[in-house]
Amino acid sequence: GAGVSQSPSNKVTEKGKDVELRCDPISGHTALYWYRQSLGQGLEFLIYFQGNSAPDKSGLPSDRFSAERTGGSVSTLTIQRTQQEDSAVYLCASSFKPPNTGELFFGEGSRLTVL
Amino acid sequence: AQSVSQHNHHVILSEAASLELGCNYSYGGTVNLFWYVQYPGQHLQLLLKYFSGDPLVKGIKGFEAEFIKSKFSFNLRKPSVQWSDTAEYFCAAYNQGGKLIFGQGTELSVKP
Repeated sequence: GAGVSQSPSNKVTEKGKDVELRCDPISGHTALYWYRQSLGQGLEFLIYFQGNSAPDKSGLPSDRFSAERTGGSVSTLTIQRTQQEDSAVYLCASSFKPPNTGELFFGEGSRLTVL
Repeated sequence: AQSVSQHNHHVILSEAASLELGCNYSYGGTVNLFWYVQYPGQHLQLLLKYFSGDPLVKGIKGFEAEFIKSKFSFNLRKPSVQWSDTAEYFCAAYNQGGKLIFGQGTELSVKP
């Protein structure tokens, strides 16, 4: 597609439920990133994919968080047993294999609200 | 741990004022540096980047940034801001490991 596409754009869920967030990167981009944006916290790195593998999962906050990428394209971020502190905007970005350009192209984000 | 720090959380300026937003990074060795901007209701987009060469880099909309290796800094500047520059600005540092680390962000409010 023309840009990075994320869905859903908004998700309201109850504490304890599982949620899945989807990211469809720009065609041809091999690198895919997930970040979390919270008020006053800036952008928190979660995980990075190169192709289908994740060289760096160091940012995942807990074992309730997991992510996968299939076919070198679409990625899903799953949060199990959601907690109120998981409320944030989850941003996906993609780029050509780093460090060729380093520029990340961001999606609009998925706003998650946990009640 | 590698980190990026932005000194100002919220800056308020009048139109035509000069702008300088501070950014410091903690990496050693080769580092690639970026400023991203997020206008209200829009997604993050690249403002400018530094990889090597001339330490003074120019970006879109009249912004520029200077890389000072000895100070581990990459401050963003604009001689005269406009109301349309109201946005949140993020500094980021990218190492060869493939991870782009962002600072906490600086919210800029420009009063008309």
